Amino acid sequence: GNSVTQMEGPVTLSEEAFLTINCTYTATGYPSLFWYVQYPGEGLQLLLKATKADDKGSNKGFEATYRKETTSFHLEKGSVQVSDSAVYFCALSQGYGGSQGNLIFGKGTKLSVKP
Amino acid sequence: DGGITQSPKYLFRKEGQNVTLSCEQNLNHDAMYWYRQDPGQGLRLIYYSQIVNDFQKGDIAEGYSVSREKKESFPLTVTSAQKNPTAFYLCANRWHGSYEQYFGPGTRLTVT
Repeated sequence: GNSVTQMEGPVTLSEEAFLTINCTYTATGYPSLFWYVQYPGEGLQLLLKATKADDKGSNKGFEATYRKETTSFHLEKGSVQVSDSAVYFCALSQGYGGSQGNLIFGKGTKLSVKP
Repeated sequence: DGGITQSPKYLFRKEGQNVTLSCEQNLNHDAMYWYRQDPGQGLRLIYYSQIVNDFQKGDIAEGYSVSREKKESFPLTVTSAQKNPTAFYLCANRWHGSYEQYFGPGTRLTVT
């Protein structure tokens, strides 16, 4: 079945460090891929998405490229800030209809950024 | 932003009582979802609904029930049959023409 695997945390970085959170997936066909962010005590916010191979999603300095050859969607940011401290979830969707519209999530990676 | 309101933010109940969590949306999205999140865990799907008066079980539906009588509302009832109800509950919606889901702020339920 479909699945998402992301690197286990917690990840602790100093401010202005480079961030990579790895995400790989298993799916048939051509899923859409997402990164969500969850700040403490809040719901999930869509951070970025990519719907086809080689697409690059970007938002707020974060980027991820849909690599079908390696079934990966790694999240990167060149210079993290304390305000980026949160839990990051990688997810996939197979399509629109029925259960295909359901999201499959990774377990989440907690990021802590120190000043 | 999916225009979702979940209330209350915190909810406390005694063991053996049923409790209903509210989820309302104002964007006319067709599909709605309920997830459960436990500390340090990912999200697990409880129920989802694609259209009014129709809903499907997710991965962990036992001990939960839902209704979808109106497009804007998708309440979740946590019944006394749910063995470990204490958790953070998240509601989400999705427009049929898109792949992404939008989440509400969540309700933290504590049962003692």
